[in-house]
This record gives sequence, structure tokens and C-alpha cells, in this order.
Amino acid sequence: QVQLVESGGGVVQPGRSLRLSCAASGFTFRNYGMHWVRQAPGKGLEWVAVIWYDGSDKSYAASVKGRFTISRDNSKNTLYLQMSTLRAEDTAVYYCARDFESVRYFDYWGQGTLVTVSS
Amino acid sequence: QSALTQPRSVSGSPGQSVAISCTGTSSDVGSYNYVSWYQQHPGKAPKLIIYDVTKRPSGVPARFSGSKSGKTASLSISGLQAEDEADYYCCSYAGSYTLVFGGGTKLTVL
Repeated sequence: QVQLVESGGGVVQPGRSLRLSCAASGFTFRNYGMHWVRQAPGKGLEWVAVIWYDGSDKSYAASVKGRFTISRDNSKNTLYLQMSTLRAEDTAVYYCARDFESVRYFDYWGQGTLVTVSS
Repeated sequence: QSALTQPRSVSGSPGQSVAISCTGTSSDVGSYNYVSWYQQHPGKAPKLIIYDVTKRPSGVPARFSGSKSGKTASLSISGLQAEDEADYYCCSYAGSYTLVFGGGTKLTVL
């Protein structure tokens, strides 16, 4: 069965960096695009970024462009999100999700990892 | 990219039907038939329940249906059940390989 397990969340000071990981199993990881989606406490979902199945292209939400970098290691079945210059408004649960139908939908989600940006 | 507009809450009694609207712009919902809906129970990850405006993934009950007219998409749930109580989010393709969500709607089954 498809499993996505995020890790790397925690408390970080404003302006600092953090890297999230998402370990995938139960499917052929290298064949699928992957997304990060976040949800601030008590708020709605916000799409963050997507990376193509082979890493050849990426796209970002305007709110994180230039600060966050999505990447993947297909040999390790792992997705990453490098977050830099973090702000209080980046505080959220970060979900990784598998792409469905070429950057249109998300068909499987992890359970999320909480990132708290606070001094 | 601004979030799509959803009502904050809707409610209905068991067995009844409810509809949740999702209004976007000519840059997202109005331009693409790539609207999806996600159900999220408290403390859980979202679950895809509708894609391509009207399609249901395998395992999603036929009580859930989707539609779209112009810049507004809708999710309808018939024969409400207690387990349908959850938050519902619409999502649309917004061009240039970006996606935008709605603000979410809390469904209460009375």
C-alpha cells in the first residue's frame, strides 16, 4: 500500500532554515510527481510546490518562491523541501502528497509534520 | 493567487442533501475543468473525493458528486451520514503548473 511519511519538522527561529523529508513506499516513486501542501493551525490547505517525476521541472506558490526548494532522490524514494528565511506565517503542518494526472490532483497524502517558526 | 471562495460552514440532518460552493476566477475554475474536492476529518490527512469536476476515485460513495458552472464549482452530498461530518476543500488548477485551494467548509451533520 502507498505510504508517505514526513519528517524533519520542529521549532525554528525566524530567518533560519529547515529541511523536510518525505519517505515514500508501496509504489514506484520515480514514476510520479510529488507535491508539498501545508496547513496553518486551524486554517485551510495551501499548495506549496510540485516536482516532476524525474526532477526535471518544479513549480512553487508565490508565497514561498525564492525561499523554498523542492527536490527528490529517486534512488532513496525520498522527497525533500528545503525551507530558508522562514517566517512566522510559514508555521504549519506540511504534507507531502503524490501527484495524480500531471499536476492536477493529489491522490495519496502523508500524515504531515509540524513546523513552528517562533523565537 | 487568491484562495477560492467557499462558505465557512454548512449543515444538514442525516438523510438530507447539502451542497458546497467553490467560486474562483477566470484564471482558475473558470478556465479549467481541473477541479477537485478533498475531505478532511479532524487530525487526519485530506482525502481525494472528486476530480476532473465530476469524477469519483474508486471507493468513494456515489452520494458524493461534483459539478461546475462558469467560475463556480459545487460538491453535493446526498443521503448525509454522520461520518460525512468533516472539512471539505475545493482545489483548482490555476495555470503554469500551480494549484489553488478554497478556504474550506465545515460540514456539520445535525
